[in-house]
Amino acid sequence: EPEVTQTPSHQVTQMGQEVILRCVPISNHLYFYWYRQILGQKVEFLVSFYNNEISEKSEIFDDQFSVERPDGSNFTLKIRSTKLEDSAMYFCARGDRDSNQPQHFGDGTRLSIL
Amino acid sequence: RKEVEQDPGPFNVPEGATVAFNCTYSNSASQSFFWYRQDCRKEPKLLMSVYSSGNEDGRFTAQLNRASQYISLLIRDSKLSDSATYLCVVKGNRDDKIIFGKGTRLHILP
Repeated sequence: EPEVTQTPSHQVTQMGQEVILRCVPISNHLYFYWYRQILGQKVEFLVSFYNNEISEKSEIFDDQFSVERPDGSNFTLKIRSTKLEDSAMYFCARGDRDSNQPQHFGDGTRLSIL
Repeated sequence: RKEVEQDPGPFNVPEGATVAFNCTYSNSASQSFFWYRQDCRKEPKLLMSVYSSGNEDGRFTAQLNRASQYISLLIRDSKLSDSATYLCVVKGNRDDKIIFGKGTRLHILP
């Protein structure tokens, strides 16, 4: 049983459209992360989110991307004006305050841009 | 030098054999280390944390050598269900992010 659930499991979108990927934690955690994995490549960090604010973001996480936790429960990743190269698996993860603790991943959303 | 480097494999190993994975990391300030496994098109799942003194969990043993910036994972008595990609993961002290290696693919042969 994953500690976070992600929806949808698969999203197919036309290039240029906006997509919203959702992550719902099973329990009440404060630290959340988004990662992506392009097919055949390594998992890459996108952004970390703590206490309703971005705490760190990678160079991948440009103005095309945004995150929010609109209702205190769902944690969303929005990708505006999608490009073909945005096609990837997107994983949400939750963490703990203790930075030595591992992160636990949701089962991912496969995003396919046509 | 890549931040986290692993032999991509694949390793094709007969069932019951022992297999070892190696990983090196470039940031000497890294503080936390983990091994994850990832099945095809699935999420990474934590296999075990890696402690400075080395640690064991059943058939799995992890070692850390901070001086050489080297992490290892040993799987004894390998089983068909061990077939997966094994990801070496490194985390800094102040950074939130974790850095993944590209992973080593393991195929256990019947």
